[in-house]
Amino acid sequence: IQLTQSPSSLSASVGDRVTFTCRASQGISSHLAWYQQKPGKAPKLLIYAASTLQSGVPSRFSGSGSGTDFTLTISSLQPEDFATYYCQHLNSYPPYTFGQGTKLEIK
Amino acid sequence: EVQLLESGGGLVQPGGSLRLSCAASGFTFSSYAMSWVRQAPGKGLEWVSGISESGDTTYYADSVKGRFTISRDNSRNTLYLQMSGLRAEDTAVYYCAKEEGDSSGVYYYNWFDPWGQGTLVSVSS
Repeated sequence: IQLTQSPSSLSASVGDRVTFTCRASQGISSHLAWYQQKPGKAPKLLIYAASTLQSGVPSRFSGSGSGTDFTLTISSLQPEDFATYYCQHLNSYPPYTFGQGTKLEIK
Repeated sequence: EVQLLESGGGLVQPGGSLRLSCAASGFTFSSYAMSWVRQAPGKGLEWVSGISESGDTTYYADSVKGRFTISRDNSRNTLYLQMSGLRAEDTAVYYCAKEEGDSSGVYYYNWFDPWGQGTLVSVSS
């Protein structure tokens, strides 16, 4: 299964609403997680099971989708949200696939 | 607090070997599957290898199969990645990650949380 994220990069301003897309090459139900990675840091879990917000993650982050098409939305961008975002397909056992990432930059 | 701390990275010549370690604390290590994920400089994330809770089942990406060996010592709360036949394209930051899961519903869902801080492996002559 391959995951394709779009766009590869995105410029936005503080306060904007942004949406990232992750498309799977075949149906994966809701077996999808989203991570945020800042430069020089390890990835951080945001969303699992496509739409479940990880404890401690701000509510401005939300995930949706099932099957082949998934989205991650940030409702109102904050300065600390500028980072790269990855989707990941996980099933009961590996291999586990990552999308190529979407880099969110300040406009 | 759950913590994962990788070590063992460094500079190695092509064809050489290296063993990475990931020391776990703050949770019952033997109850969780674990994985290694790598990130080449300026590139995205690549899942490398995974291991079951007991260590009796292992998985590998095609890119490392036959060259890398994942293992764990549950008595020492430590995950390992033995890397041999290293190539320039293996140059990356290597992260270990704890696999969490939820089987309370109809389906089983899993995810990686947390990740270690990473250790850099550079393969160059």
